[in-house]
Amino acid sequence: QKEVEQNSGPLSVPEGAIASLNCTYSDRGSQSFFWYRQYSGKSPELIMSIYSNGDKEDGRFTAQLNKASQYVSLLIRDSQPSDSATYLCAVMDSNYQLIWGAGTKLIIKP
Amino acid sequence: EPEVTQTPSHQVTQMGQEVILRCVPISNHLYFYWYRQILGQKVEFLVSFYNNEISEKSEIFDDQFSVERPDGSNFTLKIRSTKLEDSAMYFCASTHSHEQFFGPGTRLTVL
Repeated sequence: QKEVEQNSGPLSVPEGAIASLNCTYSDRGSQSFFWYRQYSGKSPELIMSIYSNGDKEDGRFTAQLNKASQYVSLLIRDSQPSDSATYLCAVMDSNYQLIWGAGTKLIIKP
Repeated sequence: EPEVTQTPSHQVTQMGQEVILRCVPISNHLYFYWYRQILGQKVEFLVSFYNNEISEKSEIFDDQFSVERPDGSNFTLKIRSTKLEDSAMYFCASTHSHEQFFGPGTRLTVL
């Protein structure tokens, strides 16, 4: 059974601080990894994709991938109240199917 | 910026009725997907579609479900005889490679 695990939270972070979200996956053959943001009652919105080991930065977001440890993370710098949402980790398996984590609820406190 | 669109935004139906959920994927995308998300639960893969045929489907996607691309733009999900447990948000997504972009969803309520 291919699985993607995330801490459900909520993770509470003060405004302006760094939010760190983590995800582990079971399928060692996975090659593509994604972070989606989902506001309550809305659809998932793609915010980052990462395909190789190391860091990938896009504005205030940094995705980190460690395939040896089967670990993906998302850092959000200078957190804003508008970043409050559920963050979904999704991992693409060898059939090009996305396997989803349950999401981490992030709360940014003003 | 191109977007995936879905209609209707909310569908209420009686148990046993047929429903058709509609999606217009992003125009240059070739791969299309349906997902569902029961309230408070994970996003679940239903089916992927490429080159006018199903490429993968999950255990959820049983004989009650079907998909179709009736013309060059629409992509539909049909549930033949709805059950109470089909109540969920249904999302369509499309991609031209790996990054999937989601539509706003259809909230299906089965009474």
